[in-house]
Amino acid sequence: SQQGEEDPQALSIQEGENATMNCSYKTSINNLQWYRQNSGRGLVHLILIRSNEREKHSGRLRVTLDTSKKSSSLLITASRAADTASYFCATDRGSTLGRLYFGRGTQLTVWP
Amino acid sequence: GAVVSQHPSWVICKSGTSVKIECRSLDFQATTMFWYRQFPKQSLMLMATSNEGSKATYEQGVEKDKFLINHASLTLSTLTVTSAHPEDSSFYICSALLQVVGQPQHFGDGTRLSIL
Repeated sequence: SQQGEEDPQALSIQEGENATMNCSYKTSINNLQWYRQNSGRGLVHLILIRSNEREKHSGRLRVTLDTSKKSSSLLITASRAADTASYFCATDRGSTLGRLYFGRGTQLTVWP
Repeated sequence: GAVVSQHPSWVICKSGTSVKIECRSLDFQATTMFWYRQFPKQSLMLMATSNEGSKATYEQGVEKDKFLINHASLTLSTLTVTSAHPEDSSFYICSALLQVVGQPQHFGDGTRLSIL
């Protein structure tokens, strides 16, 4: 079964706006990762946040993690049409074997 | 760096055929690779963990005799869908780890399998 849920399932915004996606999970974790997938392609790693971290930045990306609420958010600032993709969160369910369990994903569409 | 190549990218074949998909780490050695399955507009479902030199570890509900995994070298894992049927049609994606603990996975571009 899937680890978690992202919401919204679909998000449509204009270029320049910010996009916020949320992810919830059910088990303990060592870290949580966000990935991006262009249609029909593999996944590209965006950012990894460890369970003892609360916030992390990478360029226009900002990720937060609240382990008490078992939730994370991904914020993309000043979005571009090229940001159009599906975004997934994934956790390790507390395992150290490297396995990842993905949420359902958010389909982001950025209109020029 | 950390490039993973998956081949073929697209396969169409008749029901009953066995199909082999290759996953290669091009510029690093991967003791652990993973195989996922993805249905249209859905998430990735972890199928199995491929360990170099040992048997694969399958997730609950995944038929090991249906989805044969071989990881004979540090740069190659293969997934064979045996006697494929239309319900096996899906997008299969592999990934590889540079290290095991707390590191991102590096994904191939996936294989779209269509069984007629």
